[in-house]
Amino acid sequence: GNSVTQMEGPVTLSEEAFLTINCTYTATGYPSLFWYVQYPGEGLQLLLKATKADDKGSNKGFEATYRKETTSFHLEKGSVQVSDSAVYFCALRGAAGTASKLTFGTGTRLQVTL
Amino acid sequence: DTGVSQDPRHKITKRGQNVTFRCDPISEHNRLYWYRQTLGQGPEFLTYFQNEAQLEKSRLLSDRFSAERPKGSFSTLEIQRTEQGDSAMYLCASSLAKGARETQYFGPGTRLLVL
Repeated sequence: GNSVTQMEGPVTLSEEAFLTINCTYTATGYPSLFWYVQYPGEGLQLLLKATKADDKGSNKGFEATYRKETTSFHLEKGSVQVSDSAVYFCALRGAAGTASKLTFGTGTRLQVTL
Repeated sequence: DTGVSQDPRHKITKRGQNVTFRCDPISEHNRLYWYRQTLGQGPEFLTYFQNEAQLEKSRLLSDRFSAERPKGSFSTLEIQRTEQGDSAMYLCASSLAKGARETQYFGPGTRLLVL
């Protein structure tokens, strides 16, 4: 079945540091890939997505590239801010014509300090 | 477009009681999903609807759980005879079915605590 593996947290960075959160997946065919962010006490917000190999999703300074050859979708940001502190979830949805539910990783908590 | 809404936001109940949660999707979204999230974990799929038809149910969804979407708009999730293990955040998401470009948008969740 489909699965997502994320690097364990927490990740603690100083403001303006470079961020990488690793995400790899297992799925047949070409799934769609997503990053969601969850702020304390809130639901999930879509951060970015990519639907085919070599696509780059980007939003609010965050980027992730869909790498089919390494089955990865790592999240990066060049300069983090305190307001980026949250839990980040990598997720996949199976290829078109298969299950439409999302499969999530366990989440990576990011804490950014001044 | 007001986003996905869920009610209540918090629910405390005693073991053995029944609870019902409501989800109102983004208008005109034809798919609606329920997920459960426990502390420190990612959301896990429970069930989903396309219009009023329930198309898939997870094995996580025991006989005590039932979900409906009677008119293809809002949905309810009922848990009968709650157990302490049911304590979790229950998340609802909605989407417009469009193949690989489908994107699910989540509500704020209902946090359930079973005492």
